[in-house]
Amino acid sequence: DIQMTQSPSSLSASVGDRVTMTCRASQFISNYLNWYQKKPGKAPRLLIYAASSLQSGVPSRFSGSASGTDFTLTITSLQPEDFATYYCQQSFSTPALTFGGGTKVEIK
Amino acid sequence: EAQLVESGGGLVQPGGSLRLSCSVSGFTVSSNYMSWVRQAPGKGPEWVSSLYSGYSTFYTDSVKGRFTISRDNSKNTLYLQMNSLRTEDTAVYYCARDVNWGGPSYFDYWGQGTLVTVSS
Repeated sequence: DIQMTQSPSSLSASVGDRVTMTCRASQFISNYLNWYQKKPGKAPRLLIYAASSLQSGVPSRFSGSASGTDFTLTITSLQPEDFATYYCQQSFSTPALTFGGGTKVEIK
Repeated sequence: EAQLVESGGGLVQPGGSLRLSCSVSGFTVSSNYMSWVRQAPGKGPEWVSSLYSGYSTFYTDSVKGRFTISRDNSKNTLYLQMNSLRTEDTAVYYCARDVNWGGPSYFDYWGQGTLVTVSS
């Protein structure tokens, strides 16, 4: 199985901060990497697909990038509604998809 | 706008069975790839099973032989029959649409989830 490792597991930030988080794949996955936002009691929300494509309706302050097996999600100016847990997911080994352990963004 | 609504979760004893349903509006289940994803308390999500627009089915190793994914086209509903349940199956179960066009695939629509608790 392809393992996805996210770091950090949590971070504290303030409204307006630039936030970055990383997801590392255990092997080559090309750009088969997606990012989701998860809030308690809510359905997961797709933010970024194919490593850097912004899902329709998602604010442009969210962006994704890739470098080898390392992937980054950046929020350029953190908003109150962005406090949540973020998960990466690889689809290279479809249908055996795997998710990372998550990065929880908390209010400083 | 698409909507997915899961139901059928609950408390069940180890070895018991449950059938989860995912009622879909806004798109046709039979024309799409559909999946179940679960999230155990304090853990990341885990892919469980997929049903492609033909009738191909796929399962994660830990549920093979115990879970069965299916759909009812007339009801536009996806199902997950879960038998021989174990304590480690305890999780919130989500259904999701899997956009899979031959390149990178992704889940674009998700339900709110239904909680399955396996405990004696």
